[in-house]
Amino acid sequence: KNEVEQSPQNLTAQEGEFITINCSYSVGISALHWLQQHPGGGIVSLFMLSSGKKKHGRLIATINIQEKHSSLHITASHPRDSAVYICAVHMGTSQGNLIFGKGTKLSVKP
Amino acid sequence: NAGVTQTPKFRVLKTGQSMTLLCAQDMNHEYMYWYRQDPGMGLRLIHYSVGEGTTAKGEVPDGYNVSRLKKQNFLLGLESAAPSQTSVYFCASSYFRNGEQYFGPGTRLTVT
Repeated sequence: KNEVEQSPQNLTAQEGEFITINCSYSVGISALHWLQQHPGGGIVSLFMLSSGKKKHGRLIATINIQEKHSSLHITASHPRDSAVYICAVHMGTSQGNLIFGKGTKLSVKP
Repeated sequence: NAGVTQTPKFRVLKTGQSMTLLCAQDMNHEYMYWYRQDPGMGLRLIHYSVGEGTTAKGEVPDGYNVSRLKKQNFLLGLESAAPSQTSVYFCASSYFRNGEQYFGPGTRLTVT
């Protein structure tokens, strides 16, 4: 049973579209992370949040602790946003290690 | 600052050979992690360290050993490589226990 579920697995969008990626988790957490993995393989942290909403440029992340759900939104998508987006959580009892979703592969067409 | 670096970037081993992957960070982070990434699966924790001289097992530790003799370095060893260990290995570090993690560029290992 996966503790972190992402949807959709794959997403194709046209440049300029508004994109939403969802993440649900089944355990108590202390924080949730959104990560980006580009085709070259490197992993970069986009957001870390434990409540509410955060915004950075065209990216917005929200979390609803009661519903155990988070969303990552991309406004005015661009081909350079094409990447795998990974949701990961810190469980409340963890020693700091992350539990990862399987990722959402996003492709933005020009 | 280099951040988190990993060596080597690529390696091909024959079954039964041994090797060591090196992770180094220059951010004075206490916490360091080794993850593996396989197709169709999320990253999984192999071993981790909460400080110099400490190590602990993660979700998939079998076939691997680790050492953290210096705070900035975290070594992952494969004593007798198996094809099931073909994967991409990522090292990560963080300052706080549940803080932002910084990832290395990854090591792509193939065991034939």
